[in-house]
Amino acid sequence: GQNIDQPTEMTATEGAIVQINCTYQTSGFNGLFWYQQHAGEAPTFLSYNVLDGLEEKGRFSSFLSRSKGYSYLLLKELQMKDSASYLCAVMDSNYQLIWGAGTKLIIKP
Amino acid sequence: GAVVSQHPSRVICKSGTSVKIECRSLDFQATTMFWYRQFPKQSLMLMATSNEGSKATYEQGVEKDKFLINHASLTLSTLTVTSAHPEDSSFYICSAKLDRDNEQFFGPGTRLTVL
Repeated sequence: GQNIDQPTEMTATEGAIVQINCTYQTSGFNGLFWYQQHAGEAPTFLSYNVLDGLEEKGRFSSFLSRSKGYSYLLLKELQMKDSASYLCAVMDSNYQLIWGAGTKLIIKP
Repeated sequence: GAVVSQHPSRVICKSGTSVKIECRSLDFQATTMFWYRQFPKQSLMLMATSNEGSKATYEQGVEKDKFLINHASLTLSTLTVTSAHPEDSSFYICSAKLDRDNEQFFGPGTRLTVL
């Protein structure tokens, strides 16, 4: 079957760095997405990786290793507003998004 | 660009009534739109893929006669929850995809509460 694994919850301190990991097993691969979702709101797009390596976008970076079925989202200089759930999603061979359960990130002052 | 709207944002209805949710792509044409449902503290669950001008493709376990999807134009898809029951209470989110791209753009979601 298809499976996306990410930690349920993480806690970090304001100003610090946090890495949220995602491992996947899917039928085919057409890219991996990271989305941010605040409570009661729809997800917003953060990043898309389809080739191996690191993609940097401001305070957020995303890494992909297709051979390992592994990605991480790196958040630097954490701010209180970064408290949210972070969803990892993989697009399979049918171009359907397979979603992880999300990682709830709690930022403490 | 790539803005998706949903209406209504919140609806409360009595058990047995039908509720229609609209999803619009405001500044682009979307051949394909997706309908998701999300229960509290759970991930998004794809309900169906909606293709303009053809019947929607429903995921396993989703009743097509209960969740009616109409994608009548390239900018509008509707989801009608027929004879809603309390267990249908959830956060319903639509997304739309550009034909040339894999990214999905999400609407703001509709919170449905069935009493």
